[in-house]
Amino acid sequence: GQQLNQSPQSMFIQEGEDVSMNCTSSSIFNTWLWYKQDPGEGPVLLIALYKAGELTSNGRLTAQFGITRKDSFLNISASIPSDVGIYFCAGQLFSGTYKYIFGTGTRLKVLA
Amino acid sequence: DTAVSQTPKYLVTQMGNDKSIKCEQNLGHDTMYWYKQDSKKFLKIMFSYNNKELIINETVPNRFSPKSPDKAHLNLHINSLELGDSAVYFCASSLGLAGGIEQFFGPGTRLTVL
Repeated sequence: GQQLNQSPQSMFIQEGEDVSMNCTSSSIFNTWLWYKQDPGEGPVLLIALYKAGELTSNGRLTAQFGITRKDSFLNISASIPSDVGIYFCAGQLFSGTYKYIFGTGTRLKVLA
Repeated sequence: DTAVSQTPKYLVTQMGNDKSIKCEQNLGHDTMYWYKQDSKKFLKIMFSYNNKELIINETVPNRFSPKSPDKAHLNLHINSLELGDSAVYFCASSLGLAGGIEQFFGPGTRLTVL
């Protein structure tokens, strides 16, 4: 089935550093979404991207929808300890209904 | 005033038992989902309902049966539980066909089958 590959799988960074992660697919998606999951909780939407080439920011977060519609990246600037968690990309398809395919996740740990 | 709530939060049971997980959303959304997150944190959609009708069923064993009594509730019943069913199950909702991109997730139910 369809799969979204995220990289890196996990990363340790120092507080204050910038972080980049990306998501690639063999399929084309209509929308890309980025979620964050804190321990013991459900994912929460960070950014939604609606068209190819779009670059969107949400505070210290910036995400881009790849031109080919098969990839997306997320940047976090000046990381802080509360950025720790698992970041998921998700691609959305529409074929009669909305369907979401989630990426494999990037586990972020921030060292103070 | 939790947007998407699930009960129970934790469920520990023996192999072969039947159990249910309940989900309720107070957002007025039309579409609800069940996801399974395994030990490697992979999130996979299981089912989606729109206005109480099943619209996505992703190759899930028929031991899993979702039930939507109304569009604010989507329960998941699991028969003859197996070890491999151990996972965290998330309910989510969205505006769905009404135009909602964002899915709101519940806090999850951690199911452990012994």
